[in-house]
Amino acid sequence: EPEVTQTPSHQVTQMGQEVILRCVPISNHLYFYWYRQILGQKVEFLVSFYNNEISEKSEIFDDQFSVERPDGSNFTLKIRSTKLEDSAMYFCASSKRDRGSQPQHFGDGTRLSIL
Amino acid sequence: GNSVTQMEGPVTLSEEAFLTINCTYTATGYPSLFWYVQYPGEGLQLLLKATKADDKGSNKGFEATYRKETTSFHLEKGSVQVSDSAVYFCALSDFGGGSQGNLIFGKGTKLSVKP
Repeated sequence: EPEVTQTPSHQVTQMGQEVILRCVPISNHLYFYWYRQILGQKVEFLVSFYNNEISEKSEIFDDQFSVERPDGSNFTLKIRSTKLEDSAMYFCASSKRDRGSQPQHFGDGTRLSIL
Repeated sequence: GNSVTQMEGPVTLSEEAFLTINCTYTATGYPSLFWYVQYPGEGLQLLLKATKADDKGSNKGFEATYRKETTSFHLEKGSVQVSDSAVYFCALSDFGGGSQGNLIFGKGTKLSVKP
């Protein structure tokens, strides 16, 4: 069964540094998402992406965050200048369509640790 | 706004016990409802879904019925196994409520099943 893959599985970065988290969505999916989960808290929506542009973003997704689909397969989340509070598990997801009934398929996540 | 409330964990059961994890929601539109499961060290996997009132989602012995009158989507399993030990997340997607289909999650309920 096709999977969403994320790399790296664990990223350790100094505060203030830029970090790029990478995702390869399922190949015939058109809608892409990033979520994060701070330890012990809810999974929170960050951003959704379709047709090479952001379709929705949450309050968390401020100017320090950006997303890109640099080629036909990768979907990246960049944090420009990391803060301690960015430490979390980041999940990428994809779906065939954005209708609410279409399930989103998640990757295994990238654990981001900011020192 | 839209939200999901799950019963607090952790829940510890003996093998073959009956499981119920309560989930209630608030939504402005016509949400689809999901249960996701996260096994240790893994990402989120879709367990089951229901897209309209009175639908019953089922998978791997788990069931949940979409109850619009009580705004609930409780997860049940008649006889749990040790391999069911995981964190369970209730989620909704409220496409008709102004959202683009992003998922809103509950806090998660950790289930531990003892042999």
